Amino acid sequence: GDSVTQMEGPVTLSEEAFLTINCTYTATGYPSLFWYVQYPGEGLQLLLKATKADDKGSNKGFEATYRKETTSFHLEKGSVQVSDSAVYFCAPAFKAAGNKLTFGGGTRVLVKP
Amino acid sequence: DAGITQSPRYKITETGRQVTLMCHQTWSHSYMFWYRQDLGHGLRLIYYSAAADITDKGEVPDGYVVSRSKTENFPLTLESATRSQTSVYFCASSDYGLAGGEQFFGPGTRLTVL
Repeated sequence: GDSVTQMEGPVTLSEEAFLTINCTYTATGYPSLFWYVQYPGEGLQLLLKATKADDKGSNKGFEATYRKETTSFHLEKGSVQVSDSAVYFCAPAFKAAGNKLTFGGGTRVLVKP
Repeated sequence: DAGITQSPRYKITETGRQVTLMCHQTWSHSYMFWYRQDLGHGLRLIYYSAAADITDKGEVPDGYVVSRSKTENFPLTLESATRSQTSVYFCASSDYGLAGGEQFFGPGTRLTVL
């Protein structure tokens, strides 16, 4: 069946370091792909999305490219800040699930000054 | 206040008791969702609703009941709480249906069942 896998955390980085969070999926067809972020004590909020192959989503310095060949949607940021400390969720919208979001397990990121 | 709110934010109850978690949104979004968040499981969909009086099961509906008599409210009831229902519960809403993907989340309710 359709599934999503993202790298486990926690990921601990120093300020200004490069961040990558891997996300891969298995699906029949081509789902829309989303990254959500959860800051401490808050609900989730949409970070970025891509709806078709080769689309690049970007927001707040984060980027992710829809890679059909590798069924991946890795999240990257070139220079992280302490304020980027949060939990990040990859969430495909699988057609087989009626386009409902399926969340990965989340990756906790801690950025130290 | 505009947005999506949940109440209570924290709740401690005992096994076997009935508990209702409230969710209210001010955007008149058609879709509303209930998720639970557990360590190692990400978020799992409990129930969702496409409109008032239309609800459907998600991935983990057992032990939960929902209703939606008004567009803006979507309460979640645990009819007889169990320890396995200790979790953080998030309500979300969307005006994009299911395919659009962007959902707006409330701040969550942390429920502890003793």
